[in-house]
Amino acid sequence: DGGITQSPKYLFRKEGQNVTLSCEQNLNHDAMYWYRQDPGQGLRLIYYSQIVNDFQKGDIAEGYSVSREKKESFPLTVTSAQKNPTAFYLCASSIGKGTDTQYFGPGTRLTVL
Amino acid sequence: DQQVKQNSPSLSVQEGRISILNCDYTNSMFDYFLWYKKYPAEGPTFLISISSIKDKNEDGRFTVFLNKSAKHLSLHIVPSQPGDSAVYFCAATDSGAGSYQLTFGKGTKLSVIP
Repeated sequence: DGGITQSPKYLFRKEGQNVTLSCEQNLNHDAMYWYRQDPGQGLRLIYYSQIVNDFQKGDIAEGYSVSREKKESFPLTVTSAQKNPTAFYLCASSIGKGTDTQYFGPGTRLTVL
Repeated sequence: DQQVKQNSPSLSVQEGRISILNCDYTNSMFDYFLWYKKYPAEGPTFLISISSIKDKNEDGRFTVFLNKSAKHLSLHIVPSQPGDSAVYFCAATDSGAGSYQLTFGKGTKLSVIP
């Protein structure tokens, strides 16, 4: 089955700890994205990558880091510098062209205690 | 500054009737628009899209209308079903920018009443 997987579904961390969220896709998509959703808000772009070994900051990149060493994988690290890390995190991928549809994974709910 | 606005946070519709969800945008460079449906604690699911060269796109019970002069689009669901109850997000992109970034509205929660 082709798709996007995110793990874990729920994640709890203590304040001050870094945490890495996993995102894997087997759709052979070039582009991958990380979004954050807060209650009553739309999705806000954290980082995106259009090709392996390259990524760009989105609208709210502060306190986050990413890597894109493989086409299939785009992990997101939430660092201790992120002031409000508790949120629902969504990973997406797309073919990577102008009129493009992004397909989303199931999301990870991160709660920082 | 919100570039994509969904001014109605919620909408209730009787089963079998039409649901109309609205979306306005301010960035005149946006030329490709998408609607996503989202259930709680799940990722958004792509519903339908429209390019700025069209003013209507239809897929089964879902139709999206685009009014470029008014910078307005709407999603029509006919007939509405209880399973359509979810949050609907409008998204837009500038396909010529080369970054493929989507800008999302805040969503409209649709409740279809049996």
